[in-house]
Parts: sequence; C-alpha cells; structure tokens
Amino acid sequence: SQTIHQWPATLVQPVGSPLSLECTVEGTSNPNLYWYRQAAGRGLQLLFYSVGIGQISSEVPQNLSASRPQDRQFILSSKKLLLSDSGFYLCAWSPPRGGIMGEQFFGPGTRLTVL
Amino acid sequence: QKEVEQNSGPLSVPEGAIASLNCTYSDRVSQSFFWYRQYSGKSPELIMSIYSNGDKEDGRFTAQLNKASQYVSLLIRDSQPSDSATYLCAVTTAAGNKLTFGGGTRVLVKP
Repeated sequence: SQTIHQWPATLVQPVGSPLSLECTVEGTSNPNLYWYRQAAGRGLQLLFYSVGIGQISSEVPQNLSASRPQDRQFILSSKKLLLSDSGFYLCAWSPPRGGIMGEQFFGPGTRLTVL
Repeated sequence: QKEVEQNSGPLSVPEGAIASLNCTYSDRVSQSFFWYRQYSGKSPELIMSIYSNGDKEDGRFTAQLNKASQYVSLLIRDSQPSDSATYLCAVTTAAGNKLTFGGGTRVLVKP
C-alpha cells in the first residue's frame, strides 16, 4: 500500500528565515505530487504540482519554490519567510496519468507559524 | 469567481439523522468528483469518488452526481458525532491532473 510522509509536523520560524519542508511517498512509482497551503479557516490553495523528476508547475506567484530531486520526493522551500506564509502545508500524491481518475491522497501536513 | 461552491455551514444535524451536503461546479468538462473529510487540525481524507451521473453508495455515505445541472452532493445517513468535520468537495480540472476544491462545509452532529 502507498504511504505519504511529511516533516516536520510543526514548525515555528521567524520572519525572514529560510524554509524547507519535505514530502516522500512510498509504495508507488512516478506519482503526481502536489503542495497545497490551507490558511486558518480557509480552503485549499494549490501551490505547486509535479508530474516527474525536475518538472515543477507553479500555480501562485510567491516567495516559495518547489523541487523534485527524486521520483518520490517533493520539497517546498523559501529563502525568506513572510508572516503571510503561515498556514497548514499539505503534500498530496495521485497515480500517474492513466491511473485512477484524479484522486489525490494527502499527507499528514506541516503546520507552519511565522512570527 | 470560485469554480467550486459549497455552503460553509455549519450544518447542524441531530445524531441519527441524514446530513445533506451540496456542491456546484462551473467547469462543464470536469470528469471526476470527490468528497474529502477533514477533522479539525488534520489533513483531508478521501471518502467518496464519483465519475458518472447517478448515485454511489458506500456504507453510510451516498454521493450523487448530476452533470447536466453541475452539482454533486453527499448524504450521510445515521449521522454520528464522529461525522462532525469539514467536508470538502473537489473536482478535476479540464487537464485531469489537478483538483479544484470548494471551501468546505462544516458539519456538526449533536448527540
């Protein structure tokens, strides 16, 4: 069965500090990978998605970036955090094109507080 | 303009009753439709998927899809306090490799 991991679970960072969140998937190959952010009491905002190693699509211009150095690893980064970057960061995976029709499965999330 | 609309609630339901949640979407070419349950402080969990018009039942959950009217609904029968959560409706985009989420409906089941 497939498993998705995210770490850290919680993070408190000062404004202007860097950020690195990691997501890994087990039990599948060539998954589509996604980063979402959920602000308090708000819906899910898609930040980035990737259909393969080194292939990143950005949905929202911001001070965040994403990388996919390995097939089942997805990293979210920032050089300088802003207060508005606070939120619940969720990584999700879906089977590659031709698999199940669009279902996405979420990791446990990272709760980021920028002070 | 939002592409997937849900009533934010809260939808208050007595224990044992039926909870009815609705979702409308704007993209006529959407092919896949999903309901996720999200407990407070937790990540969304996929509970139902539906791809064709009509009803799909899984345990106490029934998803209903009407593509002509562009709405999808979720019924929760015999509601339990453990069903208290936010329910997110999600719809595939035209390309099929992304989901658009509604803002969620908060459900409160009162004993």
